[in-house]
Parts: sequence; C-alpha cells; structure tokens
Amino acid sequence: EPEVTQTPSHQVTQMGQEVILRCVPISNHLYFYWYRQILGQKVEFLVSFYNNEISEKSEIFDDQFSVERPDGSNFTLKIRSTKLEDSAMYFCASRSPGGQAAEAFFGQGTRLTVV
Amino acid sequence: GDSVTQMEGPVTLSEEAFLTINCTYTATGYPSLFWYVQYPGEGLQLLLKATKADDKGSNKGFEATYRKETTSFHLEKGSVQVSDSAVYFCALRTSGSARQLTFGSGTQLTVLP
Repeated sequence: EPEVTQTPSHQVTQMGQEVILRCVPISNHLYFYWYRQILGQKVEFLVSFYNNEISEKSEIFDDQFSVERPDGSNFTLKIRSTKLEDSAMYFCASRSPGGQAAEAFFGQGTRLTVV
Repeated sequence: GDSVTQMEGPVTLSEEAFLTINCTYTATGYPSLFWYVQYPGEGLQLLLKATKADDKGSNKGFEATYRKETTSFHLEKGSVQVSDSAVYFCALRTSGSARQLTFGSGTQLTVLP
C-alpha cells in the first residue's frame, strides 16, 4: 500500500541552526501539506502546496519557514533558524484530487527537538 | 474561522465498555468531517469520514453520524478493545481543493483489560 515517508524520524538541533525535514508523498498525489503537533497539543496546519507553489499558510508559517518540491518527488520543510518553541512533531501529508472529502495520508512524523 | 471542539481527555475505559467521544464544529460552508486515529509512536490514520448531513461513517466498529442541526460528529464504539488505545482527532475540511484539515485537540483513550 502506498505511504507517505518522512525522514529523519527524530532530529535534535541547536537553537539557531537550520533544519530540513524531508517527505516523500504518495506518487500520484497533487496536494501536499505540513502540520505540526507540539507535545500534548492539537495538530496544527502549517502550509499547503499545490502546482509548485504555496496554496495557503497559517500564522505559524512565518519567514523562518519555507517549503520546496525540488525534484518532483521530495517535499521539504526548512526552518532557517530554529527556536526552542519549534520543538514538535512535524507531519507531512499528501492528497489526491477528489474534492473536499478526499483522504489525506500522513507520514509517521519527524520529531524535532531544539536544544 | 473553522474550528473543532473535542471532548477533553484522557478517557479510560475497561475492555468491552461503550465509547463516546464528543466532537462539535464551527465552519463556513458545508464541511466534510473526519476522525483520525494516532496509535502510539505512529502517524495519523483516517478512521472514518462523512461528507453530508445524516451520513454515517464507520470503520473497525467505530461510527460517527454527521449532524448538521447540532454541528456534531460524535465518535462511538459499542465495545472497545485494548488495541483501541490511541489518540483520536476529530477534523473538518471545507470546500476548496487544496484546503487543509482543521483538527480538534485530540482525545487520549486508554482501554484496560
């Protein structure tokens, strides 16, 4: 069964460092998303990506964040200068066309710890 | 804006007990509604969904009915198992192809043998 793959599963980084979180969405999907979940809190939307550009982004997704689909396969989330409050589980998701009810498939997440 | 309010957890039940996790929503337009489950150490998996009023989504013994009049989508299961222990998230998506999911805060369910 096709699945969304995220790497690494866990990343520890120093405050102020740049991190890149990687995702391989399901191959025929066209809509891509990043969400995050701070420990014990709700899953929050960060950004959606379609047709090689950002479709929507939340207030969390400030200038420190960027996304890229560099090679038609990977979908990356970059945090330029990490802060302690960026520590969270980051989930990538992808979805095929199919309207409002189409299922989003999630990866297993990358746990980012900023120290 | 869109929002989802979920029953506060954690919820602890004995095996074979009846489960209800309440979920209500606020949305512009006519949303699709979802329940996602997160097992320990894993990502989010779609459990069930409903796309219009009075639709009932069901999967693995879980059910939820889209109630437009009460803006609710409560999750139920008649007899829970230890393997149902997980975090359950209610979510919605409104119209627009690229629209993201809006999640509730999640409800931790622990089922004891």
